[in-house]
Amino acid sequence: QSALTQPRSVSGSPGQSVTISCTGTSSDVGAYNCASWYQQHPGKAPKLMIYDVNKRPSGVPDRFSGSKSGNTASLTISGLQAEDEADYYCCSYAGSYTVVFGGGTKLTVL
Amino acid sequence: QLQLQESGPGLVKPSETLSLTCTVSGDSISSGSFYWGWIRQPPGKGLEWIGSLYYLGSTYYNSSLKSRVTISIDTSKNQFSLKLSSVTAADTAIYYCARLTYTWGGLDYWGQGALVTVSS
Repeated sequence: QSALTQPRSVSGSPGQSVTISCTGTSSDVGAYNCASWYQQHPGKAPKLMIYDVNKRPSGVPDRFSGSKSGNTASLTISGLQAEDEADYYCCSYAGSYTVVFGGGTKLTVL
Repeated sequence: QLQLQESGPGLVKPSETLSLTCTVSGDSISSGSFYWGWIRQPPGKGLEWIGSLYYLGSTYYNSSLKSRVTISIDTSKNQFSLKLSSVTAADTAIYYCARLTYTWGGLDYWGQGALVTVSS
């Protein structure tokens, strides 16, 4: 199980949109509609932001959206706010009841 | 509201076995047919899936840790546990327990995490 590939960092100004990519393979991201995204602030546990590729848990702002194309899942944050600055991790089901995470992306709000 | 809480020693000696317990409150661990999992995060690094189990006892492990990991469940106490044997400094991490969604498409509830340091 190799980790999914995410950019180390992305940045954007308040009000702008940013997209974080998560590239896997035809055995994980590409094979299942089971990609998820987590937001982690320093010293806190990860928080589920998107599951099943594009579904938002209750309470997550609709500024957060997910999509998938081929072996790449993406998280888009529109109307960027200061509190969105955090680390973001993607995750995918990889078959045989296994899970694989991405390496994480640090989002900086300029 | 479902809550998960990790507990266990914060310091383990090299070559010994790390043991953590996750206590679930707010619902029965055996209701809803959910899977439960352990994830770890070394200081300053990313998340790594350790393994998962079903309330009936089926277990699934990260192949890179499989030889050293055991995850078990105690439905009477509404708890599930992690044991990681022959630890080294590389196993120093924050260990999280979490619940997987029905579809395995996400981990929707997380514990706050427990820092375990491997040091003599």
